[in-house]
Amino acid sequence: SQTIHQWPATLVQPVGSPLSLECTVEGTSNPNLYWYRQAAGRGLQLLFYSVGIGQISSEVPQNLSASRPQDRQFILSSKKLLLSDSGFYLCAYERQGAPHEQFFGPGTRLTVL
Amino acid sequence: QQQVKQSPQSLIVQKGGIPIINCAYENTAFDYFPWYQQFPGKGPALLIAIRPDVSEKKEGRFTISFNKSAKQFSLHIMDSQPGDSATYFCAASQITNFGNEKLTFGTGTRLTIIP
Repeated sequence: SQTIHQWPATLVQPVGSPLSLECTVEGTSNPNLYWYRQAAGRGLQLLFYSVGIGQISSEVPQNLSASRPQDRQFILSSKKLLLSDSGFYLCAYERQGAPHEQFFGPGTRLTVL
Repeated sequence: QQQVKQSPQSLIVQKGGIPIINCAYENTAFDYFPWYQQFPGKGPALLIAIRPDVSEKKEGRFTISFNKSAKQFSLHIMDSQPGDSATYFCAASQITNFGNEKLTFGTGTRLTIIP
């Protein structure tokens, strides 16, 4: 069976500090990986997706970046956080050969003060 | 630009009632329409989904109705229970140049089922 992990679960960071959120998937190879941000009243916004190691597609120009250093690892980063970066960050995976079904992780609650 | 519009924003229904959540889309490239259920502090989970060549799909107490010409689809929950209280998101999927799917979500409906 597959599982998806995210950490940390919660994070409080000052404005201008760096950010690194990690997502890992177990039990499947070469998954498609996604980062979403959820803000109140705005649903889930797709930030980045990756179909393989080193490949990143950006959906929304912003203060964030993503990387995929290993097959089942997806990292969301920022060099300098803004207040507007606060939100609930969700990682999701999609199995190769099984499209149309994304499985979400437990999320990271980020508060920028 | 919001490509998937969802209503209502919140909904309160008595136990046993049939809450209905509506969504509308504009992009004809969307080829799959899932609904996700999210409990507080958790990630969303796929509930039910439909393809545009089908007008209705039922899974247990959950039904999706799809109107391709109107570009609208809706979720109905039969015999609703307090345990159904959650936030529901509609979504629309389209294939990318890489062959994977990307989802565009509605803004969510907070559903409360009162005993």
